[in-house]
Amino acid sequence: QKEVEQDPGPLSVPEGAIVSLNCTYSNSAFQYFMWYRQYSRKGPELLMYTYSSGNKEDGRFTAQVDKSSKYISLFIRDSQPSDSATYLCAMSDQAGTALIFGKGTTLSVSS
Amino acid sequence: DTGVSQNPRHKITKRGQNVTFRCDPISEHNRLYWYRQTLGQGPEFLTYFQNEAQLEKSRLLSDRFSAERPKGSFSTLEIQRTEQGDSAMYLCASSLYGYGYTFGSGTRLTVV
Repeated sequence: QKEVEQDPGPLSVPEGAIVSLNCTYSNSAFQYFMWYRQYSRKGPELLMYTYSSGNKEDGRFTAQVDKSSKYISLFIRDSQPSDSATYLCAMSDQAGTALIFGKGTTLSVSS
Repeated sequence: DTGVSQNPRHKITKRGQNVTFRCDPISEHNRLYWYRQTLGQGPEFLTYFQNEAQLEKSRLLSDRFSAERPKGSFSTLEIQRTEQGDSAMYLCASSLYGYGYTFGSGTRLTVV
């Protein structure tokens, strides 16, 4: 079992839909959780950064962490074609150390 | 501040040759990371520096790989005697004490 599991998709939704992306993990020591967006042939771009459990909202994006279930989610409201990309979850046990990434979920939003 | 810069963007090399990549982090960031990403996979950690000190190396970083960060500024990643399995995107990231990690656009290596 990999430390971080993420369904690679692909996930296709119409414009305006609510998108739910998620990851599960096995290492209970993880405390720092991130979501990155990666466009083709580009580096990952940080979307959300969360410490420990709870919710965090930034515009159309909401990140949730449930440490008891070892499950994290990213919700995208009012999805746009420009949201079409690969979404990567990443986590670490200490601030500033190695990030462990999921495989990424490929999202396509059609207009 | 122009973000994390990586050069070259693309590199094609013959098997057995040595290659070197450069990363220029965001100037005020003290930590610098190297990752490798293959098609359909998430980035995999290779190594990271705090200032000029190399603090952690992954077991993925074989003896053919070496990374340096002289004077705590830019960093280089060298791969000696390249193999076809080294073909990947090599990503550099930097952070200030670990708050968020800003990635560069990567160097795509193709070993033929």
